[in-house]
Amino acid sequence: QKEVEQNSGPLSVPEGAIASLNCTYSDRGSQSFFWYRQYSGKSPELIMFIYSNGDKEDGRFTAQLNKASQYVSLLIRDSQPSDSATYLCAVLPGAGNNRKLIWGLGTSLAVNP
Amino acid sequence: KAGVTQTPRYLIKTRGQQVTLSCSPISGHRSVSWYQQTPGQGLQFLFEYFSETQRNKGNFPGRFSGRQFSNSRSEMNVSTLELGDSALYLCASSLMGYEQYFGPGTRLTVT
Repeated sequence: QKEVEQNSGPLSVPEGAIASLNCTYSDRGSQSFFWYRQYSGKSPELIMFIYSNGDKEDGRFTAQLNKASQYVSLLIRDSQPSDSATYLCAVLPGAGNNRKLIWGLGTSLAVNP
Repeated sequence: KAGVTQTPRYLIKTRGQQVTLSCSPISGHRSVSWYQQTPGQGLQFLFEYFSETQRNKGNFPGRFSGRQFSNSRSEMNVSTLELGDSALYLCASSLMGYEQYFGPGTRLTVT
């Protein structure tokens, strides 16, 4: 059974700090990794995604992959109160023709002013 | 480009009834996935349709069904509603199935 795990939190950081969110996955052949942000009462919004060949930076957000330890991180620099949300990680397994995303349960982030 | 739309946004039904939810994907997207989200359960995958064919299916009972039309619009149907079906139902649109963009969801309450 392929799995994706996230610490449920809440992760609490002060405004302006770096928030670090982690997601571990069980399928070593996983190829793509997605981070979504979900505000309370809203639907998930895609923040960024990376492939197994490298990290990515987009504004204040950086996604990093550690293939050896099988986890992917989302770093949020200069955290703002508006970043307070639940962050969902999704992983695309590596094998099979009709693959589907495997979702974590999400990490709740609270940025305190 | 217009985003994913879902109708209706809110729905209240009685146990035993059936319900049909609709999803219009982003123009050009051929994949539509449906999810159920409840507090503490996360996103539970229902099924995915790609070019009118069901490509993947989650572990839900047969009361949950779906279809996709030639214009990529999709519907999901839940028959014989149970109290436990109360949830946020999300539709996600994708070009090939992986980079998914969600609609606003339909909040279903079963009484």
